[in-house]
Amino acid sequence: AQSVTQLGSHVSVSEGALVLLRCNYSSSVPPYLFWYVQYPNQGLQLLLKYTTGATLVKGINGFEAEFKKSETSFHLTKPSAHMSDAAEYFCAVSESGSARQLTFGSGTQLTVLP
Amino acid sequence: GAGVSQSPRYKVAKRGQDVALRCDPISGHVSLFWYQQALGQGPEFLTYFQNEAQLDKSGLPSDRFFAERPEGSVSTLKIQRTQQEDSAVYLCASSLARAPAPETQYFGPGTRLLVL
Repeated sequence: AQSVTQLGSHVSVSEGALVLLRCNYSSSVPPYLFWYVQYPNQGLQLLLKYTTGATLVKGINGFEAEFKKSETSFHLTKPSAHMSDAAEYFCAVSESGSARQLTFGSGTQLTVLP
Repeated sequence: GAGVSQSPRYKVAKRGQDVALRCDPISGHVSLFWYQQALGQGPEFLTYFQNEAQLDKSGLPSDRFFAERPEGSVSTLKIQRTQQEDSAVYLCASSLARAPAPETQYFGPGTRLLVL
């Protein structure tokens, strides 16, 4: 069975500071990994995903994440936070093969302080 | 519109009532997923369709939950005899379902269900 752990349900950063949102996963097979963002009263929007190949993945809005197999991690970073980045962020895993559903972490609420 | 749409956006039901939640996927998307998101939690998988076939319903919490996609497009999630623990946001997602890499799932805005 696969699972996702997001450390820190709430993270606050100052505008212009580094954003680091942590995600660790467990999976019995090579995983596919995703980060989604959710704004209030909206659906989830894909930020980036890792399937195979390069372990550093670049996404939209200046976000990137690095797949580290040895640490079973897929942390999300952004060099400089903007006020518009305030939202809830979800890490998700999907196992390779026929299974298609996503298993999500419990989310991290990002607050950006002026 | 070009995205996934869901209706109603909000639903208040009295305990014991039946409810039906609708999902209109992106045109041409083969796969359709339903997820349940409780307050303060991440979404949890309920069921998955490929065209009209329901290939996985392992996440449905009880036999009061039923989903269908009879023509391989619009899907309905039905909850019979609603209970307070059914209160949640119900998210629908669709994808193209191209093998082998996992396709991106596009999410609708959700239906917020409150059972009183």
